[in-house]
Amino acid sequence: GAGVSQSPSNKVTEKGKDVELRCDPISGHTALYWYRQSLGQGLEFLIYFQGNSAPDKSGLPSDRFSAERTGGSVSTLTIQRTQQEDSAVYLCASSSGRRAFFGQGTRLTVV
Amino acid sequence: GESVGLHLPTLSVQEGDNSIINCAYSNSASDYFIWYKQESGKGPQFIIDIRSNMDKRQGQRVTVLLNKTVKHLSLQIAATQPGDSAVYFCAEPNNNQFYFGTGTSLTVIP
Repeated sequence: GAGVSQSPSNKVTEKGKDVELRCDPISGHTALYWYRQSLGQGLEFLIYFQGNSAPDKSGLPSDRFSAERTGGSVSTLTIQRTQQEDSAVYLCASSSGRRAFFGQGTRLTVV
Repeated sequence: GESVGLHLPTLSVQEGDNSIINCAYSNSASDYFIWYKQESGKGPQFIIDIRSNMDKRQGQRVTVLLNKTVKHLSLQIAATQPGDSAVYFCAEPNNNQFYFGTGTSLTVIP
């Protein structure tokens, strides 16, 4: 596609449930990033994928968070046993150089 | 660690005036910066970038200035329009991630 695509755009889930968020990066981009943005806040780094290298998971806030990237393209961010503090906008970005391009984000609300 | 920050969390300007949004960084070895615009309910949108071998770069109605001596960069928006209302972030790629400032919320007054 023309840009980074994320789905769903909105997700409401009950506390304790698992959720999966999807990111389709720009075709050909080797790098993929996940960020989290709480209401009115800046962007918090979660995880970075580059080609076939091991991902940089240093930003994941807890072991309830995991992500994978299949075939060097689509990525899924999984949050297990969701908590209310997980409510935020989850942003995905991809890049082939030093410019990163973001998707529209998934707004996650945990009730 | 790396850090970039913004001077003012909010900025209000009259439509047609010029806007200046500032950002400071801490690492003197930083060699590349990006400005992003984030409208309400949307993801950050790339505006303009600048490499450290440049002091100034111009785009369409936007100019970024880089002062490496005081580790400061600014985004200037000429003839600000209502559609420019958004949160603006400076960002620096380093160590497998982009470090973002806290953002400046620009409000354009008609």
